[in-house]
Amino acid sequence: KAGVTQTPRYLIKTRGQQVTLSCSPISGHRSVSWYQQTPGQGLQFLFEYFSETQRNKGNFPGRFSGRQFSNSRSEMNVSTLELGDSALYLCASSTRQEETQYFGPGTRLLVL
Amino acid sequence: LAKTTQPISMDSYEGQEVNITCSHNNIATNDYITWYQQFPSQGPRFIIQGYKTKVTNEVASLFIPADRKSSTLSLPRVSLSDTAVYYCLVASSGGYNKLIFGAGTRLAVHP
Repeated sequence: KAGVTQTPRYLIKTRGQQVTLSCSPISGHRSVSWYQQTPGQGLQFLFEYFSETQRNKGNFPGRFSGRQFSNSRSEMNVSTLELGDSALYLCASSTRQEETQYFGPGTRLLVL
Repeated sequence: LAKTTQPISMDSYEGQEVNITCSHNNIATNDYITWYQQFPSQGPRFIIQGYKTKVTNEVASLFIPADRKSSTLSLPRVSLSDTAVYYCLVASSGGYNKLIFGAGTRLAVHP
């Protein structure tokens, strides 16, 4: 069974731009969570979607948003990029809320 | 969600057994303990999960005492490729999809 896939793997943007990252969960997984990882703050939870509904949200500004499609694929969007948004963005999926999360390889975003 | 405390770093040598202990004094009755491994610029990889006593898989063992206030991840005969950051997390039903990561333990395996 294929693992979690994320596209693109690497991305360079400039301040003020917006970006959309994509995540395809493991087949059959309906819960998708997003995390941001930076050297200073470590791994932080952004939000989680289950059956196209956002169920949990971390402590991030409204510039960070996401959505989930009927096939469980998810996208996250960051608008008005700031230098501090440079990070590894990770997506994880699970079969239900109670199950183990499996992570994708991440998207490395660099904001210049 | 229960907070975890684990050593910031550990050093070992190839072929040795490594034990990483994690404290979770406020673990709730329905919390499970999960360990992840992460290599630089990669997503965390699930290693093992348990509720109580001992769990073993092809990669590691997880020891959980009766009071469940701590757990120990045991890696048998480590190799250079086991050099990574190891995260201990506790989460319960409804919380698995909102994992709270600590700083993790940076394990360095030397030849």
